[in-house]
Amino acid sequence: GAVVSQHPSRVICKSGTSVKIECRSLDFQATTMFWYRQFPKKSLMLMATSNEGSKATYEQGVEKDKFLINHASLTLSTLTVTSAHPEDSSFYICSASRQNLNYGYTFGSGTRLTVV
Amino acid sequence: LAKTTQPISMDSYEGQEVNITCSHNNIATNDYITWYQQFPSQGPRFIIQGYKTKVTNEVASLFIPADRKSSTLSLPRVSLSDTAVYYCLVGATGNQFYFGTGTSLTVIP
Repeated sequence: GAVVSQHPSRVICKSGTSVKIECRSLDFQATTMFWYRQFPKKSLMLMATSNEGSKATYEQGVEKDKFLINHASLTLSTLTVTSAHPEDSSFYICSASRQNLNYGYTFGSGTRLTVV
Repeated sequence: LAKTTQPISMDSYEGQEVNITCSHNNIATNDYITWYQQFPSQGPRFIIQGYKTKVTNEVASLFIPADRKSSTLSLPRVSLSDTAVYYCLVGATGNQFYFGTGTSLTVIP
């Protein structure tokens, strides 16, 4: 079945540093991937749509210069949290879909980011 | 952009059948209905997807009435390990999926 791998699963960084999170589709090509963030006991909030070979589309209120997204290949999208601050601490999740929506969207296992 | 509404929480005893209903009044013609399960600190996991009528797989059934403005996820004989948050999403291929509040299901021994 469709597998999406997300790395790292946990990361702790100091304020002011940048952190990169990778999202890979292991057994299918994904022209589109999505990035979400989730705060404790809250639902997933869509941050941006990552399009292979073009600029990401950000949701309203999401700072594109803060959350850099690169989708350089059909199997890899990266999210870089730049100049991280404690309020950026959250659970970040990516997802991707095969062309046949009958499989739904497959989600990565998530990345727990803690900024200290 | 179809918005979904679900009960915030539900409790059920082990071994019972659980039905979670989702309202999506402005579902579009091209939209499918997909249900996901999420455990704490994990990504959502696909449960079932349908377009109309009834769909069944090894873990759940999905009932969709003719007007498609709602859907019901049915979990037969739940166990403690089914305690999780369940999300109903509607959308079409390649489009963004926006999550609603989800339903927090607690299975009681």
